[in-house]
Amino acid sequence: GNSVTQMEGPVTLSEEAFLTINCTYTATGYPSLFWYVQYPGEGLQLLLKATKADDKGSNKGFEATYRKETTSFHLEKGSVQVSDSAVYFCALVPLQAGTALIFGKGTTLSVSS
Amino acid sequence: GAGVSQSPSNKVTEKGKDVELRCDPISGHTALYWYRQSLGQGLEFLIYFQGNSAPDKSGLPSDRFSAERTGGSVSTLTIQRTQQEDSAVYLCASSLVAGNTEAFFGQGTRLTVV
Repeated sequence: GNSVTQMEGPVTLSEEAFLTINCTYTATGYPSLFWYVQYPGEGLQLLLKATKADDKGSNKGFEATYRKETTSFHLEKGSVQVSDSAVYFCALVPLQAGTALIFGKGTTLSVSS
Repeated sequence: GAGVSQSPSNKVTEKGKDVELRCDPISGHTALYWYRQSLGQGLEFLIYFQGNSAPDKSGLPSDRFSAERTGGSVSTLTIQRTQQEDSAVYLCASSLVAGNTEAFFGQGTRLTVV
């Protein structure tokens, strides 16, 4: 079946540190891949996405590259800020048309100044 | 509307009672999704609608859970004979069409069964 596995949190970093949150997936064919973010007290919102192999999604300084050879979509940011503290969810949409997002369990990031 | 609206935002109910959770999607969005968010469990898919049809209801945990959507707009998630393990945040999302398009989420309904 289709599934997403994320690294366990919480991840605690100092401001300006480098961030990596690992995400791997299991799916038939080549799904579309997403990172969603949930800031404290807010709803989930799309952070970035990639729809085919070797695509790189980027937004707000975050990047993730679709790697089909390792079935991964790791989230990275070169220099985190306190305002990046949130829960990050990796997700996929299977290849079949008209299907729902499948999410990982989420990774909590806490950035201190 | 401007965003996905869910009501109520908080609901406390006694074990054994029925509850209805409402979701009002973004106008023009044909796909609507329900998820459940629990501590340590991430986002659990429950059901989605394309128009008024539910092509995938595989995530509904038991026959106490049901959902409907009328007029291709508002959806209601009903939980009958609530149990304490039903306590969670229930999230609704909508997108233009189901599949490879951005989903927009509501703020959720926090359900507490006592």
